[in-house]
Amino acid sequence: DVKVTQSSRYLVKRTGEKVFLECVQDMDHENMFWYRQDPGLGLRLIYFSYDVKMKEKGDIPEGYSVSREKKERFSLILESASTNQTSMYLCASSSGQGAPYEQYFGPGTRLTVT
Amino acid sequence: AQTVTQSQPEMSVQEAETVTLSCTYDTSESDYYLFWYKQPPSRQMILVIRQEAYKQQNATENRFSVNFQKAAKSFSLKISDSQLGDAAMYFCAYKGTSGTYKYIFGTGTRLKVLA
Repeated sequence: DVKVTQSSRYLVKRTGEKVFLECVQDMDHENMFWYRQDPGLGLRLIYFSYDVKMKEKGDIPEGYSVSREKKERFSLILESASTNQTSMYLCASSSGQGAPYEQYFGPGTRLTVT
Repeated sequence: AQTVTQSQPEMSVQEAETVTLSCTYDTSESDYYLFWYKQPPSRQMILVIRQEAYKQQNATENRFSVNFQKAAKSFSLKISDSQLGDAAMYFCAYKGTSGTYKYIFGTGTRLKVLA
């Protein structure tokens, strides 16, 4: 079974803090993704990575950065957390070998910025 | 740009009954994949069913089936014999095959199952 794990289920941070969210997958997947999930807005892509050290911006990258130093690990960084970044963050991975393109998701991190 | 629309924010179904969740999408691509994902309360999102656009036959997985109408760009999910464990958020998603890594998700439908 593919396993995608995220470092924390719940996180509370103060405005201005630097926040690290980590994601690890154990299926040797090339592609990894960070999404933000908000009620009524669905999943919005923040960043994705298709290989080690490779990254591309998604639809809402402002205020975020990412790091992928190893294939299995993809980190999301909030450089200076703000209250509007309070949200559920989902990590996902998928094989880069083509179809069927299924994404596997982590359990999510619910981040609250106060 | 591709879009995915789920027009039903919330649906309810009686246990053992059948319910259909709607999804429409917009694309200019001819080859793509469509997915339904389920996110139970406080649990991990999992794949329910997938459909390849080039396949005319509707995908089926046990009690879950889709009605894929390519010309109408519609991809609805039918859940038969609904169970309490089906209560969840359901997301429709699209992925093109022409060199993009991106998946496009709908806004989700919350399904309540009534005992």
